[in-house]
Amino acid sequence: GAVVSQHPSWVICKSGTSVKIECRSLDFQATTMFWYRQFPKQSLMLMATSNEGSKATYEQGVEKDKFLINHASLTLSTLTVTSAHPEDSSFYICSARDQSSSLGELFFGEGSRLTVL
Amino acid sequence: QKEVEQDPGPLSVPEGAIVSLNCTYSNSAFQYFMWYRQYSRKGPELLMYTYSSGNKEDGRFTAQVDKSSKYISLFIRDSQPSDSATYLCAMRGYGQNFVFGPGTRLSVLP
Repeated sequence: GAVVSQHPSWVICKSGTSVKIECRSLDFQATTMFWYRQFPKQSLMLMATSNEGSKATYEQGVEKDKFLINHASLTLSTLTVTSAHPEDSSFYICSARDQSSSLGELFFGEGSRLTVL
Repeated sequence: QKEVEQDPGPLSVPEGAIVSLNCTYSNSAFQYFMWYRQYSRKGPELLMYTYSSGNKEDGRFTAQVDKSSKYISLFIRDSQPSDSATYLCAMRGYGQNFVFGPGTRLSVLP
């Protein structure tokens, strides 16, 4: 299946700093990528839809100034957690939709575990 | 009522058992159905996908879709301890984003 690479896989940062997470589709182009947050033993929570060349669409309750999303190319979307706080500690996962497939399958990255001290 | 319902489990079965995982949904516009497997602290991995109704088989896995009942299933034959994971169903209609079930935690005991 298609591969989505997410980096870094884990990061520890101090409170108040910003952290950038990258999501790349390695063998297909994705005009749309998605960012999720997942707490332990809970399901995926969609945070935002990242659209290549335009502004991201955020889900209700997600602060767009806190979670900056940039989708500058057809293979790369980034999520920046700004002024991180301990409550931002979580598992962040991206997915990309294979536009060339009629089914439009979603492929996920391996996730990034963020710990804010 | 949530758009996609799934029993969160945990579901524990002995090795070699046949596992049945299910999701129900309310949106009759859903046409594309996926099953994902997620190991702890990993991203979900696409297992099976089907379009509209019917069955699809891939090795030990069989996916079934019954649109008349708004019910989908994933069967795992000869279950192995390595199948222990959380299984997520996902579905969408034309031009829509996927909606995910909350996931069922499966534990296959050796």
